[in-house]
Amino acid sequence: GEDVEQSLFLSVREGDSSVINCTYTDSSSTYLYWYKQEPGAGLQLLTYIFSNMDMKQDQRLTVLLNKKDKHLSLRIADTQTGDSAIYFCAEYNYGQNFVFGPGTRLSVLP
Amino acid sequence: KAGVTQTPRYLIKTRGQQVTLSCSPISGHRSVSWYQQTPGQGLQFLFEYFSETQRNKGNFPGRFSGRQFSNSRSEMNVSTLELGDSALYLCASNPSTGLGSYEQYFGPGTRLTVT
Repeated sequence: GEDVEQSLFLSVREGDSSVINCTYTDSSSTYLYWYKQEPGAGLQLLTYIFSNMDMKQDQRLTVLLNKKDKHLSLRIADTQTGDSAIYFCAEYNYGQNFVFGPGTRLSVLP
Repeated sequence: KAGVTQTPRYLIKTRGQQVTLSCSPISGHRSVSWYQQTPGQGLQFLFEYFSETQRNKGNFPGRFSGRQFSNSRSEMNVSTLELGDSALYLCASNPSTGLGSYEQYFGPGTRLTVT
């Protein structure tokens, strides 16, 4: 079945760039997503990318997709303490369920 | 537009009881999905409802059930609660057409504690 993997922890200094990585197994995935979850809250949709795209930029966020290697990354420029959260990668194909990774806990150190 | 609302936000139940959680999707959204989130298992898909019909189902026992009303509001029910059912239950709203939609927006969740 489909599987999405992420490293569990990442620490960065405030002002640095963060890069969160994700790998997935379903080559037919149509859309790939990044969600953010803050303590005690639901998941917030940050951005998503269609599978025929290589890159998408949205303000401080850059998503890179390597479809050949089934690798997705999220780069956060100028990381702030407010970016501390858990980041989930997810994949979706029409008619199927969303499949989420285990989440990467990003800690931003002052 | 108002976001996805879930009630109640917190709930404490005893083993063996049953519980009903409610979700109101974003206005105009026709699909509602439910997820269970636990530290050990992460986010697991429970089921999806579209136009009052269950369209998709995850790998959970029959104690977990749901339904959707004509106004797209959805409820999920867990009967004979077990300690392992303690989790954050998340509802996601989707503007889905009959073919499915790639947009999914989450509510704040209901934190269920079973003692």
